[in-house]
Amino acid sequence: EVQLLESGGGLVQPGGSLRLSCAASGFTFNNYAMNWVRQAPGKGLEWVSTISGTGDSRYYADSVKGRFTISRDKSKNTVSLQMNSLRTEDTAIYYCAQTNESISPVDYFYYGLDVWGQGTSVTVSS
Amino acid sequence: DIVLTQSPGTLSLSPGERATLSCRASQSVDSKYLTWYQQKPGQAPRLLIYGASSRPTGIPDRFSGSGSGTDFTLTINTLEPEDFAVYYCHHYVIAPFTFGPGTKVEIK
Repeated sequence: EVQLLESGGGLVQPGGSLRLSCAASGFTFNNYAMNWVRQAPGKGLEWVSTISGTGDSRYYADSVKGRFTISRDKSKNTVSLQMNSLRTEDTAIYYCAQTNESISPVDYFYYGLDVWGQGTSVTVSS
Repeated sequence: DIVLTQSPGTLSLSPGERATLSCRASQSVDSKYLTWYQQKPGQAPRLLIYGASSRPTGIPDRFSGSGSGTDFTLTINTLEPEDFAVYYCHHYVIAPFTFGPGTKVEIK
């Protein structure tokens, strides 16, 4: 069974740091890009960051660029989000999601973010 | 950046009715990279449609997607009680990979 399990959320003061992790199982981790998507209380979904399957390409929302760093550990099948200089507006549930994609030398197919974790809650407050 | 706008913000319908949800992009989007998600309270989002019109395995055929360019539509034929939720469109064309603000489908 394909599964994603987030951890690392909690309460942190403004200006503090937190590291989220997402443990993947049930699929060949190295073949897929991974994403972080967040949802502030009562608000919609906000894409945060994406890392390619190889780890060579990383993308960030402007709202977190320079403060958050996405990484992946192939040996542990985990993707992490290091969050520094946290602000109250970073308070949200953070979801990890797998990009379902097929990459070949001649073509690329995108099938959506089809596996999601249950989310981990981050609260930034003094 | 590609901005996705969804309308209406809220759709009030009765079970058995048809829901038509709109997603408009600020610039042309390759339909291969346009997806729709359903989210219920307290749950993670669920992929409903990829490639603007394809359904993943397990998604009921009452859900259908269409559109191209800047205008995309999610249609839910014959609303079931479990379909009342919030629906988001999303693009994966070029970063930032933004979501639309969502359409809430509520029971009338």
